[in-house]
Amino acid sequence: DAGVIQSPRHEVTEMGQEVTLRCKPISGHNSLFWYRQTMMRGLELLIYFNNNVPIDDSGMPEDRFSAKMPNASFSTLKIQPSEPRDSAVYFCASSQSTGTGTYEQYFGPGTRLTVT
Amino acid sequence: GESVGLHLPTLSVQEGDNSIINCAYSNSASDYFIWYKQESGKGPQFIIDIRSNMDKRQGQRVTVLLNKTVKHLSLQIAATQPGDSAVYFCAGNSQKLVFGQGTRLTINP
Repeated sequence: DAGVIQSPRHEVTEMGQEVTLRCKPISGHNSLFWYRQTMMRGLELLIYFNNNVPIDDSGMPEDRFSAKMPNASFSTLKIQPSEPRDSAVYFCASSQSTGTGTYEQYFGPGTRLTVT
Repeated sequence: GESVGLHLPTLSVQEGDNSIINCAYSNSASDYFIWYKQESGKGPQFIIDIRSNMDKRQGQRVTVLLNKTVKHLSLQIAATQPGDSAVYFCAGNSQKLVFGQGTRLTINP
């Protein structure tokens, strides 16, 4: 199994630039999650999709952040414009969810974003 | 809102000893809990899970205990090895997983 695939693994950009992070979930999984991890705030859920539909985006910090899932095998997280405080590791995770809730999630290797 | 947290941010144990990592949660509606292990430079990795209708579940060298009365769960690692060094997260589920802050486990030789 390839697992969850994220790209790029590292991204360094200047403040004000657009950043796009990509994720390919595990085939057959119907839920996809975007997390952000920092030393100060730990692991935070930004948004999650079920069957390609955004279910909960309450964790998205502000309008500069947007996420899409055009099909079951691909999702993007975009930050426009980026700011230094967006520097973090961004994880994508996928799972097979049922109607009663979300269970074991499989995480990708993460994208380390540095905004200068 | 719901919260899941850990009692100690760091834990240091001697190689070969047993480790106990604790976690508290606030949402009584959580019906499922997971422990994740995160090694440096990697994403969290599933260790073991437990449903709310259970008090204990055992895996290979790991045991999770759930006390619903005091909303507390723990992860016990038997005969701790250097490869167990990582940050350990508990997560509880209602409609989505809520992660705690993590405990960094360090193994002393």
